[in-house]
Amino acid sequence: KNQVEQSPQSLIILEGKNCTLQCNYTVSPFSNLRWYKQDTGRGPVSLTIMTFSENTKSNGRYTATLDADTKQSSLHITASQLSDSASYICVVARRDDKIIFGKGTRLHILP
Amino acid sequence: DGGITQSPKYLFRKEGQNVTLSCEQNLNHDAMYWYRQDPGQGLRLIYYSQIVNDFQKGDIAEGYSVSREKKESFPLTVTSAQKNPTAFYLCASSMTRYYEQYFGPGTRLTVT
Repeated sequence: KNQVEQSPQSLIILEGKNCTLQCNYTVSPFSNLRWYKQDTGRGPVSLTIMTFSENTKSNGRYTATLDADTKQSSLHITASQLSDSASYICVVARRDDKIIFGKGTRLHILP
Repeated sequence: DGGITQSPKYLFRKEGQNVTLSCEQNLNHDAMYWYRQDPGQGLRLIYYSQIVNDFQKGDIAEGYSVSREKKESFPLTVTSAQKNPTAFYLCASSMTRYYEQYFGPGTRLTVT
């Protein structure tokens, strides 16, 4: 069954700290994996997109990793800021164009 | 939110009324999508269109209808047949179905 599981469901950290969000998937055949940031009441915004051959991709303070063998991805946020408070959604695309969304991790940054 | 606009941001309707949500993009993308987002759930695909005058049902198409008469526009009609229409609706577009999607700001529909 094609699924995308994200953990934790929610996370609270202090401003300036680092954190890592996890994404495990059982989607096959795999095409690419995407991380999106969604502010409350807004549309998701793309952070990274990785194909099978890419292990790491960075976008500023955001670094995504992909292990296609274990079907795991992580999103690491360095030196968190209050503006990082949002939901982070992991999305996996299959080669037949079907796109499966995770339920997201809700991140709260406290001052 | 890129070059995708959705209007209105908030919409209120009485039960039994049809309502149309607008989605326009100026990114010259061929593919467009409609998703529904409910609390605690991942985005669910309602309809998608890969090209003008063509569209396909997604996972939860019942009670919804769409049209794609222009490349830039992909309106969604929520009909009275949709049993639980209150939700946050997101429109997205991409160059083709293989490429990453760009999302609009969303429309929050409340039906009472």
